[in-house]
Amino acid sequence: AQSVTQPDIHITVSEGASLELRCNYSYGATPYLFWYVQSPGQGLQLLLKYFSGDTLVQGIKGFEAEFKRSQSSFNLRKPSVHWSDAAEYFCAVASGRENQGGKLIFGQGTELSVKP
Amino acid sequence: SQTIHQWPATLVQPVGSPLSLECTVEGTSNPNLYWYRQAAGRGLQLLFYSVGIGQISSEVPQNLSASRPQDRQFILSSKKLLLSDSGFYLCAWRGRARGTGYNSPLHFGNGTRLTVT
Repeated sequence: AQSVTQPDIHITVSEGASLELRCNYSYGATPYLFWYVQSPGQGLQLLLKYFSGDTLVQGIKGFEAEFKRSQSSFNLRKPSVHWSDAAEYFCAVASGRENQGGKLIFGQGTELSVKP
Repeated sequence: SQTIHQWPATLVQPVGSPLSLECTVEGTSNPNLYWYRQAAGRGLQLLFYSVGIGQISSEVPQNLSASRPQDRQFILSSKKLLLSDSGFYLCAWRGRARGTGYNSPLHFGNGTRLTVT
C-alpha cells in the first residue's frame, strides 16, 4: 500500500536561512507526488507537483523539490525562508487509478516555525 | 475559474446531535470529490470520496456518512455525534482529464472546525 512519511514533526529555522523538509514515500510504480502548505485554520494550497521528467520541480513562493527515485524521497527546499513561510507542510502521493478515486495519501505534516 | 465552498466555517455541537456539513464546487463538472479529516496535531485522513452522483466510497469505518445528491455537491453527515468526531474537516475536488486522471492535484476548501462537546 502507498504511504508517505515526513520524519520531522516540527522544524524551526531563522529567517533568511535555507530550508529542507523531508518526505519519503512508498509506492510500487512511478509516483505522482505533491507538496501542500496549510496556514492555521485554513485549507491546503498546492506548492508544487511531480509527475515525470525533470526531477527538480519548481513551485510557487520560491519553493522547489527534488525527486530521488533511488532514495524514495521528494524533499522540499527553499534557499531563504521568510517569516510568512511559517505554516504546516504536507507531502502527498496519488493513490490508485481514476476509477478508484485518484485519492491522495498524505504524510503527517511538518510544522515550520521561523525565528526573526 | 473553479471555486470550492465549505460551510459552516466553525461548528460546536453536543454529543448525540446530528451533523451536516456541505461542500459545493463551481466552475467544473463531474469532479471527483473528497472529505478529509484532520485531528489536532495529526495529518489528513481520507474519509470518503466520490467519482459521481450517488457514488460514495468509504475509506475508514466510522460514525459518519457522505452523500452526493448533485454533481457538484458533497455532504458529510452524522446521525449522532461522538466526542471523537471533533476535528477539522476539509472538502476537496479534483478535475478529470482524459487519460491523466490520478495525476491532477486536489483543490481544497477552507475547512470546517467541528467541536463536539
